[in-house]
Amino acid sequence: LAKTTQPISMDSYEGQEVNITCSHNNIATNDYITWYQQFPSQGPRFIIQGYKTKVTNEVASLFIPADRKSSTLSLPRVSLSDTAVYYCLVGGEAAGNKLTFGGGTRVLVKP
Amino acid sequence: GAVVSQHPSWVICKSGTSVKIECRSLDFQATTMFWYRQFPKQSLMLMATSNEGSKATYEQGVEKDKFLINHASLTLSTLTVTSAHPEDSSFYICSATGTDGRETLGSSTDTQYFGPGTRLTVL
Repeated sequence: LAKTTQPISMDSYEGQEVNITCSHNNIATNDYITWYQQFPSQGPRFIIQGYKTKVTNEVASLFIPADRKSSTLSLPRVSLSDTAVYYCLVGGEAAGNKLTFGGGTRVLVKP
Repeated sequence: GAVVSQHPSWVICKSGTSVKIECRSLDFQATTMFWYRQFPKQSLMLMATSNEGSKATYEQGVEKDKFLINHASLTLSTLTVTSAHPEDSSFYICSATGTDGRETLGSSTDTQYFGPGTRLTVL
């Protein structure tokens, strides 16, 4: 299973854009990159998933360079309610679809 | 779509008793379910993977006789913590992957959708 490395924490202010970069140097050819958000005492919530280039949905964008050894989750115009832990995971069928959670990035949005 | 529920949301039990936690996929067929455990201020730790109709595959260090997993249908998996002790107190979370009968959920077959978690406190 590919290991991921993320910053432990990040602070931001309401209305700003938050970018969280994740390193996954050992990503396998068939692995996808998935980001989850977790609030205290809740299960992780799926945010976005991608394989290469750029993916955008209604809540976030995911940027993946050509070598796929890293990815950046971009949260536009964050609000206080975006304060949470964000996890970057890589995995795919080759690993039995198992995901290994790293430490995640604790994002604190300040007023 | 892709909603996963867990029951109960929290449970308190006495040491030595057994506790069953249910995980249900509400709007899709969960071919594979995963069980995680999360201690305070820590990340999720995968305990086991279960495929419908098969025995669960446990991660290294997880006692299969203590954490009994049953995945008897495509919408239900259960985790039973047998003879629970205070050190088993934790937040237990399930996730599921599968299909909604029309197409594979997510953009890959490994998209996991998580339940809300169950807080277990053993006195």
